[in-house]
Amino acid sequence: KQEVTQIPAALSVPEGENLVLNCSFTDSAIYNLQWFRQDPGKGLTSLLLIQSSQREQTSGRLNASLDKSSGRSTLYIAASQPGDSATYLCAVKDSNYQLIWGAGTKLIIKP
Amino acid sequence: DVKVTQSSRYLVKRTGEKVFLECVQDMDHENMFWYRQDPGLGLRLIYFSYDVKMKEKGDIPEGYSVSREKKERFSLILESASTNQTSMYLCASSPGETQYFGPGTRLLVL
Repeated sequence: KQEVTQIPAALSVPEGENLVLNCSFTDSAIYNLQWFRQDPGKGLTSLLLIQSSQREQTSGRLNASLDKSSGRSTLYIAASQPGDSATYLCAVKDSNYQLIWGAGTKLIIKP
Repeated sequence: DVKVTQSSRYLVKRTGEKVFLECVQDMDHENMFWYRQDPGLGLRLIYFSYDVKMKEKGDIPEGYSVSREKKERFSLILESASTNQTSMYLCASSPGETQYFGPGTRLLVL
């Protein structure tokens, strides 16, 4: 059964730093992987979607990579800002076409 | 912009009460989903629907039911609320690949 893990559960960095969030999954048979952002008390917003045939996707200061063979994805945030503070979740669409979610990484950017 | 709305942001109910959580989307999406989100756990799928009057069980359907009488509305029903159903409930709709989420309903069952 597919399992998705995000480590660390929480991360605090000073403003301006580049940072990497990690997501790992146990079964490489996936259709795609998505990164979402969740602000406190709010729903989720999709950030990036990487198809299984792709290696990375970029949107502004965000870059997501996918290595299916090793079961890993990273979300790179460049020049972090206080407004980037949120919980970041990754989810994989598995062979049954279901989304399997990680528990998220809570990111705090200190001004 | 896609808009997914949920009827309540916060709810407090007593054990044994029947609870209705409503979700409405305005983008004519075929697929709608109900999740619950608990600290330290990923989102867990309760039920989903891919068409009007159609429903499929997710990973944790026990204690819940759903209704989809109209395309834009997907309701989650707790027939007899229990304290272990205290959680954040998230609704989403999707035309295909990407899911669009509502703001969530934080439910406390006393």
